[in-house]
Amino acid sequence: QVQLVQSGGEVKKPGASVKVSCTASGYTFTNYGIIWVRQAPGQALEWMGWISAYNGDTKYAQRLQGRVTMTTDTSTNTAYMDLRSLTSDDTAVYYCARALPGGLIQAAFSSWGQGTLVTVSS
Amino acid sequence: QSALTQPPSAAGSLGQSVTISCTGTSSDVGGYKYVSWYQQHPGKAPNLMIYEVTKRPSGVPDRFSGSKSGNTASLTVSGLQAEDEADYYCSSYAANNFVVFGGGTKLTVL
Repeated sequence: QVQLVQSGGEVKKPGASVKVSCTASGYTFTNYGIIWVRQAPGQALEWMGWISAYNGDTKYAQRLQGRVTMTTDTSTNTAYMDLRSLTSDDTAVYYCARALPGGLIQAAFSSWGQGTLVTVSS
Repeated sequence: QSALTQPPSAAGSLGQSVTISCTGTSSDVGGYKYVSWYQQHPGKAPNLMIYEVTKRPSGVPDRFSGSKSGNTASLTVSGLQAEDEADYYCSSYAANNFVVFGGGTKLTVL
């Protein structure tokens, strides 16, 4: 069965960077795209961006442009999300999710990781 | 990319039906057939309930249905059950390869 397993929680100081991993199993990794979504405490889901596991093409949310980088390692079936210049507003649970076969335009994500809590605090 | 507009809360009695709306613009909900709905229980990851406005992934009960008219999409839950109590989020493909989520609706089963 499709499974996405994320790295463990992180505590970071303001101004630092965090890198969250998402390791996929149960399907052909390069056939599907991955999105990253975050959810601040008590808040709504926020789309962060998309990466094609086939060719590495990315699309980032405008408000995160310049601070976020998404990559994949096809040798380990792992996607990564790197977020820089952290502030307290970045405290959230970060999720990766696999797209349906239709890709980004289909905008539907059927398999999700368990979430990674990133806490930014001085 | 502005968030889609959902009512913050909705409620219905056991066995009744409830409909949750999701309003966007012609650049997202109104312009494409790619609206999805997710159910999220506290402390859990979201679960895809509806995609492409009306389609249900395998395993999702047919009590859940979706529709769209103009810039507003809707999720209807019929025959409400206790386990349907959760947060519900809509999302849509948006122009220029973006995805936008709604602000979420807390569904209470009375």
